[in-house]
Amino acid sequence: DAGVTQSPTHLIKTRGQQVTLRCSPISGHKSVSWYQQVLGQGPQFIFQYYEKEERGRGNFPDRFSARQFPNYSSELNVNALLLGDSALYLCASSLRGGGRSPLHFGNGTRLTVT
Amino acid sequence: AQSVTQLDSQVPVFEEAPVELRCNYSSSVSVYLFWYVQYPNQGLQLLLKYLSGSTLVKGINGFEAEFNKSQTSFHLRKPSVHISDTAEYFCAVSREYGNKLVFGAGTILRVKS
Repeated sequence: DAGVTQSPTHLIKTRGQQVTLRCSPISGHKSVSWYQQVLGQGPQFIFQYYEKEERGRGNFPDRFSARQFPNYSSELNVNALLLGDSALYLCASSLRGGGRSPLHFGNGTRLTVT
Repeated sequence: AQSVTQLDSQVPVFEEAPVELRCNYSSSVSVYLFWYVQYPNQGLQLLLKYLSGSTLVKGINGFEAEFNKSQTSFHLRKPSVHISDTAEYFCAVSREYGNKLVFGAGTILRVKS
């Protein structure tokens, strides 16, 4: 079975631009979450979606937004990019939305903002 | 709010030696506990999880962890490490509602021959 797939794998953007990252969950998984991992740190929670509804939002500015589609895939959008947005963005899917349901991570999108 | 402290940023160890990676958490409610491993340029892979029941949990690749509620710890152990275990290891907690994971800062395990 295919795991969580993310695209693109790498991306270089300029300050002030906008970016869209994409994620396809494991087949049958209804929850998708997004995390930001800055070099040398643990992942930080950005969003969780379950059954196409936002279930949680981390401490990120409104420049960050996301959505989940009817096929459970998801997009993360970041507007007005800052140098500090450079990071590995990880998508994770789980069968259900509760805390007992382990997250399965993709390999991430490496975003570099210059 | 929950938080996770991984007490060692790097742990060097010789091949075939035992290793323990330490993790302490704080939470005012019951939590679920996880260990993930991250190899270079990859995402995170689940090693093991504690949801309830036996406090000693076994995971993949010969790793195990023990949940200690009184000490709020969830240390990861392996009796004999291999070169291929070189990676970064993350401890994480979640609560019942929503599966937001709160991660520690990570411990880099370096296995030397």
